Amino acid sequence: EIVLTQSPATLSLSPGERAALSCRASQSVRNLAWYQQKSGQAPRLLMYDTSHRATGIPDRFSGSGSGTDFSLTISSLEPEDCAVYYCQQRSNWPPTFGQGTRLEIK
Amino acid sequence: QVQLQESGPGLVKPSGTLSLTCAVSGVSFSTDNWWTWVRQPPGKGLEWIAEIYNNGDTNYKSSLKSRVTISADRSRNQFSLKLTSVTAADTAVYYCTGGQSGTYHHDYWGQGIPVTVSS
Repeated sequence: EIVLTQSPATLSLSPGERAALSCRASQSVRNLAWYQQKSGQAPRLLMYDTSHRATGIPDRFSGSGSGTDFSLTISSLEPEDCAVYYCQQRSNWPPTFGQGTRLEIK
Repeated sequence: QVQLQESGPGLVKPSGTLSLTCAVSGVSFSTDNWWTWVRQPPGKGLEWIAEIYNNGDTNYKSSLKSRVTISADRSRNQFSLKLTSVTAADTAVYYCTGGQSGTYHHDYWGQGIPVTVSS
């Protein structure tokens, strides 16, 4: 089973700052997805196939990476970006999720 | 717009069976999609449990395989989860999700249904 390790566990930044979230896979994966989960809500797809934004996702969100190292960048934080972010892979069996990065907006 | 809605009991007794259903609307269940159940224990991360394809093929998380069954009722545009011999460790919010065939991401999510295992 591929283990996805996300870092940092918690990130606390101010509006307008840039956030960089990391997802490292224990083995190479073909592509990665990112989800945003706000408090009390279901996860929402943010990015798919590593770098493609899902429908309705603002362009301040971007994804990159390959092999075992992937990242999600939020270029200029908004208060509504406060959430837990999960990476996920499904190109290797079984599908797995990272443990999440909590993003706090000061 | 694709919508998923979970339903089922919110409380299950230890050693009992957890049964949930996910109603799918906005897309025909027979189109080329895959459908899954994902759960989230209180304060923890997401765990994939099982999935079913439109041809009926299924896959299960290895550690749960002996206790879990996923099935589909195409006439009702819904799919279901059964988890037997539950313990407190099965307490979680259960989400039904789906994605398009050939893709690797969960496009669609239900709102989630909290299930507690307790006597």
